[in-house]
Amino acid sequence: NAGVTQTPKFQVLKTGQSMTLQCAQDMNHEYMSWYRQDPGMGLRLIHYSVGAGITDQGEVPNGYNVSRSTTEDFPLRLLSAAPSQTSVYFCASRLGQGGGPRETQYFGPGTRLLVL
Amino acid sequence: GNSVTQMEGPVTLSEEAFLTINCTYTATGYPSLFWYVQYPGEGLQLLLKATKADDKGSNKGFEATYRKETTSFHLEKGSVQVSDSAVYFCALIQGAQKLVFGQGTRLTINP
Repeated sequence: NAGVTQTPKFQVLKTGQSMTLQCAQDMNHEYMSWYRQDPGMGLRLIHYSVGAGITDQGEVPNGYNVSRSTTEDFPLRLLSAAPSQTSVYFCASRLGQGGGPRETQYFGPGTRLLVL
Repeated sequence: GNSVTQMEGPVTLSEEAFLTINCTYTATGYPSLFWYVQYPGEGLQLLLKATKADDKGSNKGFEATYRKETTSFHLEKGSVQVSDSAVYFCALIQGAQKLVFGQGTRLTINP
């Protein structure tokens, strides 16, 4: 298994540009999520999905859109990039909701985004 | 709501020193508790977990015990190595809810 993969690893955007951060997992996980990591802020949840066709907002959703058309993929879209969105973005997945092994979350390697 | 509070860093130790990183939580009921580690330039990896009171999670020489009476899950290691330098995150999850992270503690081990 490749686990959770993210592309690109690094991206520079100009203010107002749009882009999509890709995330894929090959573990047949139902639950996927996007976080951003800023210095001194820990990880903050942007959006999450409990299964194909179902998405919901986390604590910092503004400026980001997501969709979940397949179990494997969970792209994050920035419609009009702003300097405040400069951050490192992590995608994560887990089997699903509930206890036991379903709780363990697996993370991708991250995408470092710089918005000028 | 649920929350996790971690010992503020950064923490700097010498090789072979004893490590403790404090973590306390607020939750109703019985959450599962985790420690994740993030090595430089990488994503987070699960280090250890505990799912009920008095459980001890362990991995790579690290240990943490789920203490319900003190709502704590402190991370310990008896003898740290340079390769343990990383950021450590305490986290909890409860039922169908989202994973909640602490702020992270940066650990640097000097040779």
